[in-house]
Amino acid sequence: SAVISQKPSRDICQRGTSLTIQCQVDSQVTMMFWYRQQPGQSLTLIATANQGSEATYESGFVIDKFPISRPNLTFSTLTVSNMSPEDSSIYLCSVEEPDRETQYFGPGTRLLVL
Amino acid sequence: AQKITQTQPGMFVQEKEAVTLDCTYDTSDPSYGLFWYKQPSSGEMIFLIYQGSYDQQNATEGRYSLNFQKARKSANLVISASQLGDSAMYFCAMRGLTGGGNKLTFGTGTQLKVEL
Repeated sequence: SAVISQKPSRDICQRGTSLTIQCQVDSQVTMMFWYRQQPGQSLTLIATANQGSEATYESGFVIDKFPISRPNLTFSTLTVSNMSPEDSSIYLCSVEEPDRETQYFGPGTRLLVL
Repeated sequence: AQKITQTQPGMFVQEKEAVTLDCTYDTSDPSYGLFWYKQPSSGEMIFLIYQGSYDQQNATEGRYSLNFQKARKSANLVISASQLGDSAMYFCAMRGLTGGGNKLTFGTGTQLKVEL
């Protein structure tokens, strides 16, 4: 399976600031996904990021709050903008390998907003 | 729309025993995939096992097996010979395989604690 890394692994941020999370894959993948896991909750899909096109956002998530870039087939970024304490979560990227139906996840970014 | 239900918020099992984690699902997709992931306290999501709705046999991966009962819409995870390192949160998930959707829908998870 693909090896996925995320930076930073964790961060503590002040209210009103923004944080950009990076996701790097060791092979080319078409589909990349960004999920949020609020404390004690399950995972919720934020958006799907395809190379060469704008990200597709799920209901309840907007581009102004969570802008996403996908400059190539091995890299994506998620920015959490104008943060509030409610944004404190684990943010995970995942990839779907070509010709496979399974999604593999990165190690996650733990974000605490004060 | 898809829905995953995990009714066991917490489970305890003794080391070396087998444990079954329950998962039921609902979907209108004629073809779909079912997944189990393990999330230790570190937060990473570790893929364990996959079952396609079209598969005739239940999936197995080492000590993990998936008890797939399509008519009952259940996809229970069986962990044999439990180890202390199996203590973690376990999530059942599914996605439709038709219509181009790739979104994974997750259940609320089961916290498994393996005891000596």
